[in-house]
Amino acid sequence: GAVVSQHPSWVICKSGTSVKIECRSLDFQATTMFWYRQFPKQSLMLMATSNEGSKATYEQGVEKDKFLINHASLTLSTLTVTSAHPEDSSFYICSARVNGYNEKLFFGSGTQLSVL
Amino acid sequence: GENVEQHPSTLSVQEGDSAVIKCTYSDSASNYFPWYKQELGKRPQLIIDIRSNVGEKKDQRIAVTLNKTAKHFSLHITETQPEDSAVYFCAASRAGGGNKLTFGTGTQLKVEL
Repeated sequence: GAVVSQHPSWVICKSGTSVKIECRSLDFQATTMFWYRQFPKQSLMLMATSNEGSKATYEQGVEKDKFLINHASLTLSTLTVTSAHPEDSSFYICSARVNGYNEKLFFGSGTQLSVL
Repeated sequence: GENVEQHPSTLSVQEGDSAVIKCTYSDSASNYFPWYKQELGKRPQLIIDIRSNVGEKKDQRIAVTLNKTAKHFSLHITETQPEDSAVYFCAASRAGGGNKLTFGTGTQLKVEL
């Protein structure tokens, strides 16, 4: 199956700093990638849809200026959590859709963010 | 938007027994229904999916059924094994909605020896 790589797998940062998370499709091109957030023992909540070469589409309630998304190539999307606060601590996970196969999503390994 | 409900939230079965997890969805236009298995701290893994043009799909010990009229779909695991223990999520999407997946709330399955 398609492989999605996500880095870093975990990060600890001080409150007020920014953290960048990378999501790469290793063996396929992905025009569209999705970013999810998952709190402990809860479901995956879609934050935004990342589109190559255009602006991301954010879900209701997600601050676009706080969660910056850049999808500059067909294999890379980045999520930057700006001015992180403890309430941003969560498991962030990306997924990618293989171009030409509109339905199946493949997930990255996730990033556990802890903001002190 | 789409709303997916999932039951039960926790499920304990004896090894060898069957497990059934049920989901309902609200958007009648949804046409793709995948099931994911997620182990603690790991990525969700697609285990089976079904499209709205079929009513049932089976892959070894795993099967999924879909009732479009009632807008519900179910995951069936037979001959459960300890390694089946994980959190299972159902999801739904529709082609016209950007293929965004809406996930259910998850079911913690525990297979006891």
